[in-house]
Amino acid sequence: AQTVTQSQPEMSVQEAETVTLSCTYDTSESDYYLFWYKQPPSRQMILVIRQEAYKQQNATENRFSVNFQKAAKSFSLKISDSQLGDAAMYFCAYRSAKSNYQLIWGAGTKLIIKP
Amino acid sequence: DTEVTQTPKHLVMGMTNKKSLKCEQHMGHRAMYWYKQKAKKPPELMFVYSYEKLSINESVPSRFSPECPNSSLLNLHLHALQPEDSALYLCASSQDMLLETQYFGPGTRLLVL
Repeated sequence: AQTVTQSQPEMSVQEAETVTLSCTYDTSESDYYLFWYKQPPSRQMILVIRQEAYKQQNATENRFSVNFQKAAKSFSLKISDSQLGDAAMYFCAYRSAKSNYQLIWGAGTKLIIKP
Repeated sequence: DTEVTQTPKHLVMGMTNKKSLKCEQHMGHRAMYWYKQKAKKPPELMFVYSYEKLSINESVPSRFSPECPNSSLLNLHLHALQPEDSALYLCASSQDMLLETQYFGPGTRLLVL
């Protein structure tokens, strides 16, 4: 069975600095998708970035980028120029490309932004 | 537009009440999902509808009853809930059940007294 691990329950960063959130996963499949979702105190689960496993190029969305290491099964999220609005729970998630609907979630990392 | 809306935002109900949660999307998505989320935990999948038919029921107690009246709407009917059912209920949709990206609504915060 696939698993997703986020080893950092909480991280803090100074405003305007860069922070990296880690995510590792375990799977025997070769084709899958990986996601980072953000859930601020407003509760809405917002898609931050997604990565297709067959793509070697790391996904980027403005200040958010990933470091996807397929062999190491690692999928870290880098947030550059951190802003107060980035404060949230960040969840890493995995989805098989073959089987189904099911998102496999990490436990989440709470990101605190210090002004 | 990647908007999924949910009503109400908050709901307080007694264990004998009947209430409903509503979810709506106008993105033309054909798969819709209900999740339950406890504080500081990831969401747990409850139900999946695909093309207005219930495809997945993750062994959810019968006091939760989903309904999909049309391709844009998803309801969750609640009856005889327990205090441990208090949680954030999230709705999500995706273009198709087999396609990868789910878009979430803001959730309904439910408190069962």
